[in-house]
Amino acid sequence: AQTVTQSQPEMSVQEAETVTLSCTYDTSESDYYLFWYKQPPSRQMILVIRQEAYKQQNATENRFSVNFQKAAKSFSLKISDSQLGDAAMYFCAYRRGNKLVFGAGTILRVKS
Amino acid sequence: GAVVSQHPSWVICKSGTSVKIECRSLDFQATTMFWYRQFPKQSLMLMATSNEGSKATYEQGVEKDKFLINHASLTLSTLTVTSAHPEDSSFYICSARDRRGPSYTFGSGTRLTVV
Repeated sequence: AQTVTQSQPEMSVQEAETVTLSCTYDTSESDYYLFWYKQPPSRQMILVIRQEAYKQQNATENRFSVNFQKAAKSFSLKISDSQLGDAAMYFCAYRRGNKLVFGAGTILRVKS
Repeated sequence: GAVVSQHPSWVICKSGTSVKIECRSLDFQATTMFWYRQFPKQSLMLMATSNEGSKATYEQGVEKDKFLINHASLTLSTLTVTSAHPEDSSFYICSARDRRGPSYTFGSGTRLTVV
């Protein structure tokens, strides 16, 4: 069975600093998609970044980038130059067939 | 980009009554939509997969007769919580995937309170 593990229930970062959220997953498939979603206090789920497993290059979206280690089944999210608006719950997700499997989430607090 | 509209955003109902939540894909056709339940500070739990023109597929442990799903068109799926009880109070979220891309778009969620 595919599982997604986020080992950090909560993280804090100082504004303008960099923070990394960890995610590991378990799968026997070779081709798949991984996602990071952000859920701010409004509870709207927002796609932050996605990674296609067959691509070796790490995905990047402005201040957000991933460190995708396929062999280690690791998919961490790095947020650079953290902003107050980055405060949210972050979910790592794996696409299994037509479904998304989510990790437990990491609450990110940004200190001013 | 793909937009999913979910209504209502919040609803309060009395125990024993039913409440319907709508999920619409506004600018794309969604043959499949997904319904999740989320408790505070917890992850999203997939309840069921809604398939256009056919029966929904429910996850293990989800009561089919309590959570009725209808996906009558390519842009609309509804979740009806029947004979609601206080323990059904939760945050319900729908999502869909635009086949033009690999990502999933989520509705804004519905906060259900059963009193």
